[in-house]
Amino acid sequence: GAVVSQHPSWVICKSGTSVKIECRSLDFQATTMFWYRQFPKQSLMLMATSNEGSKATYEQGVEKDKFLINHASLTLSTLTVTSAHPEDSSFYICSARGLAGGLSEQFFGPGTRLTVL
Amino acid sequence: GESVGLHLPTLSVQEGDNSIINCAYSNSASDYFIWYKQESGKGPQFIIDIRSNMDKRQGQRVTVLLNKTVKHLSLQIAATQPGDSAVYFCAENIFGNTPLVFGKGTRLSVIA
Repeated sequence: GAVVSQHPSWVICKSGTSVKIECRSLDFQATTMFWYRQFPKQSLMLMATSNEGSKATYEQGVEKDKFLINHASLTLSTLTVTSAHPEDSSFYICSARGLAGGLSEQFFGPGTRLTVL
Repeated sequence: GESVGLHLPTLSVQEGDNSIINCAYSNSASDYFIWYKQESGKGPQFIIDIRSNMDKRQGQRVTVLLNKTVKHLSLQIAATQPGDSAVYFCAENIFGNTPLVFGKGTRLSVIA
């Protein structure tokens, strides 16, 4: 149980285009989803936290107009990187936390590798 | 031995030896700690967790030690195997409340 999937697993795009990454909780309802970014040889850095049906809370230094997060349902959150540039190339990892009663842990997706040319 | 590179420190151990990976956590209010293993190109994989009311917890071949006084966490891997080669991260939070915050990570390299 408690599986989180991401799609796509990797994407290559041209500079200036927008890319959408999906994060799904497959067998539980995720009240909260988290988006992390990981640059090569570095740790995971939290970008934003989103609760179902409300606006995301962004960490300091993360541009909310550039990284659009939508958490429209209890099983789906999307991260859209708008007007992507090469410096946005990174490994994006989502995490989901379920309803109370044993699912307060965070479960992580497999990550999406974004390469912007 | 251990070396500190540009970003991730690396720990090299011989196959069969025990490994100890250390982590200094940042928030004295954190009450939940997890060790994750991350292989190249993959998401973090849960290894073992510990609550702040404990100072030691054992799993299969792994042990986590927590020292709240100095805000230190360690992961011990017994009889290290080549498959243990990966990057290991500690993470902390206030359970069920705040998001997990990750430490810097350590690359474990097992020498066959």
